Amino acid sequence: EIVLTQSPGTLSLSPGERATLSCRASQSASSSYLAWYQHKPGQAPRLLIYGASSRATGIPDRFSGSGSGTDFTLTISRLEPEDFAVYYCQQYGISPSFGQGTKLEI
Amino acid sequence: QVQLQGSGPGLVKPSETLSLTCTVSGGSINTYYWSWIRQPPGKGLEWIGYIDYSGITIYSPSLKSRVTISLDTSKNQFSLRLSSVTAADTAVYYCARDTITRGMDVWGQGTTVTVSS
Repeated sequence: EIVLTQSPGTLSLSPGERATLSCRASQSASSSYLAWYQHKPGQAPRLLIYGASSRATGIPDRFSGSGSGTDFTLTISRLEPEDFAVYYCQQYGISPSFGQGTKLEI
Repeated sequence: QVQLQGSGPGLVKPSETLSLTCTVSGGSINTYYWSWIRQPPGKGLEWIGYIDYSGITIYSPSLKSRVTISLDTSKNQFSLRLSSVTAADTAVYYCARDTITRGMDVWGQGTTVTVSS
């Protein structure tokens, strides 16, 4: 079973700054099956990135994903007020799983 | 535009079976995969399992002994059953359309389930 570890647990930044979120897999994960989600309180999670680097429909280009093997990154180039939320990475291996999340706070 | 609507009891007694249904509108359930995910209070997302359009299921190892996901193509619905529940199963339960290679792209609004006597 692949375990995803996200860091940092909490990231404190200001609007306009750049955010870099990390997701590390306990063993090599296929890039084709690595996704990122944004989750705000009281809402359903929202797919941001799939295939490690492809933006989902309607996702602004300030969101980008990269990485391969065991190390993946979500970057938000210039934070907007609505970007402050919890972010999860997710992988599809033999048993799909989520990371524990990174809280992005103002 | 595909939409998912979860439904089911908000309160379940310990040791009983939790049953939720997700109704798919605006598209056919006969394609894609269909997943259940939950979020316990104050914790992160936990993948429960999925079913594909042919009825093949994959479950989380930690829940496998208690979980059943099924498909009702006549009603365009899929369902979750979780047996022998405890307080640890209290969570918001989400249903989602799962494309596997392109992520879970459509989500239901979430159903809050509390396990309590």
